Amino acid sequence: KAGVTQTPRYLIKTRGQQVTLSCSPISGHRSVSWYQQTPGQGLQFLFEYFSETQRNKGNFPGRFSGRQFSNSRSEMNVSTLELGDSALYLCASSLKNGQGNTEAFFGQGTRLTVV
Amino acid sequence: TQLLEQSPQFLSIQEGENLTVYCNSSSVFSSLQWYRQEPGEGPVLLVTVVTGGEVKKLKRLTFQFGDARKDSSLHITAAQPGDTGLYLCAGGYTGNQFYFGTGTSLTVIP
Repeated sequence: KAGVTQTPRYLIKTRGQQVTLSCSPISGHRSVSWYQQTPGQGLQFLFEYFSETQRNKGNFPGRFSGRQFSNSRSEMNVSTLELGDSALYLCASSLKNGQGNTEAFFGQGTRLTVV
Repeated sequence: TQLLEQSPQFLSIQEGENLTVYCNSSSVFSSLQWYRQEPGEGPVLLVTVVTGGEVKKLKRLTFQFGDARKDSSLHITAAQPGDTGLYLCAGGYTGNQFYFGTGTSLTVIP
């Protein structure tokens, strides 16, 4: 079974531009979450989608948005990029295991650099 | 503010030594997970603990969930260079939102 796939792996953008990142979850997983990872703040939760609906949202400005398609693939968009948006963006798809606990499986991430 | 604090933040040890990483919170979690992340890669799930006082072993790794489900520890016996990486704990409530710890960067020197 293929893992979580994120594209692109690396991206360089200029301040003020916008960017779209893509995530394909593990087949059968309907929940997709996005995280931002920086050296100073660690892993911060952005939002979670389930069956095309945003279920949870972290404490990030409205410039960060996302969506999920009927095939569970998800995209994340950041508008009006700032230097501080430079980070590793991680996508995780999750499923309840046999004991009823949710387990998250991460993709390799997209390294975004804003210059 | 971080819900989960990990200590130490950095750890550099010789191959063969033992070590313990701590994950502490003032919040009660329904489950707690440990991940290991290598540079340029996403975190990889190591274990999930859900019951207060639970102990799980994964080869040379021993994970413990505190009785009150607020803290956890990861103990590695006879560390090897392949154990090098960033260790992250993550607390979960109901639903699929996880709060990640600050991370412990482990370097095992051959």
